[in-house]
Amino acid sequence: AQSVTQLDSHVSVSEGTPVLLRCNYSSSYSPSLFWYVQHPNKGLQLLLKYTSAATLVKGINGFEAEFKKSETSFHLTKPSAHMSDAAEYFCVFLSGGYNKLIFGAGTRLAVHP
Amino acid sequence: GAGVSQSPSNKVTEKGKDVELRCDPISGHTALYWYRQRLGQGLEFLIYFQGNSAPDKSGLPSDRFSAERTGESVSTLTIQRTQQEDSAVYLCASSLTERNYGYTFGSGTRLTVV
Repeated sequence: AQSVTQLDSHVSVSEGTPVLLRCNYSSSYSPSLFWYVQHPNKGLQLLLKYTSAATLVKGINGFEAEFKKSETSFHLTKPSAHMSDAAEYFCVFLSGGYNKLIFGAGTRLAVHP
Repeated sequence: GAGVSQSPSNKVTEKGKDVELRCDPISGHTALYWYRQRLGQGLEFLIYFQGNSAPDKSGLPSDRFSAERTGESVSTLTIQRTQQEDSAVYLCASSLTERNYGYTFGSGTRLTVV
């Protein structure tokens, strides 16, 4: 079965420290993977996407993610957190039929001064 | 318009009433999706439209839920005889084609059933 698991429901970091949001996937096929961010009362915004090109993907706002097939992971990182990064982050898997985005349960990132 | 527009942004309804939610996709986007997001959870796929093809309704949770789309324009999601468990944010997304990967989400309709 195809699925995506976000390992942490909440992550709290201090401003200026690194961010790591973990995501693992399960798929029989080469997956397409995305990270979306959802700020309070805002729509979902695409941060970055992996579609079988370079395994290290750079996104907006300084975020990046590395696709590791051996570990079935697609963790999201940022070297230095900013207060404006506080939001809900979703790891998303595109199903083999190309018509369904399967969302993880989300990770709420809190950034403290 | 520039983005995916959903209306209303908020809807409070009494249990048992019918509600209709609207989604205006980005002009020219052939693919349209409806998702549901319950409080504190990820998004559940509900239904998918691609051009004039038969929609993929595999995510609709019950026969109280239905959705329509005329051509490549507006879509409406209808929930009949609403129940409290229907309370959620209903999100619409569109993309240029089904394989474009450029999914743009609307801000959603927050439905509260009391």
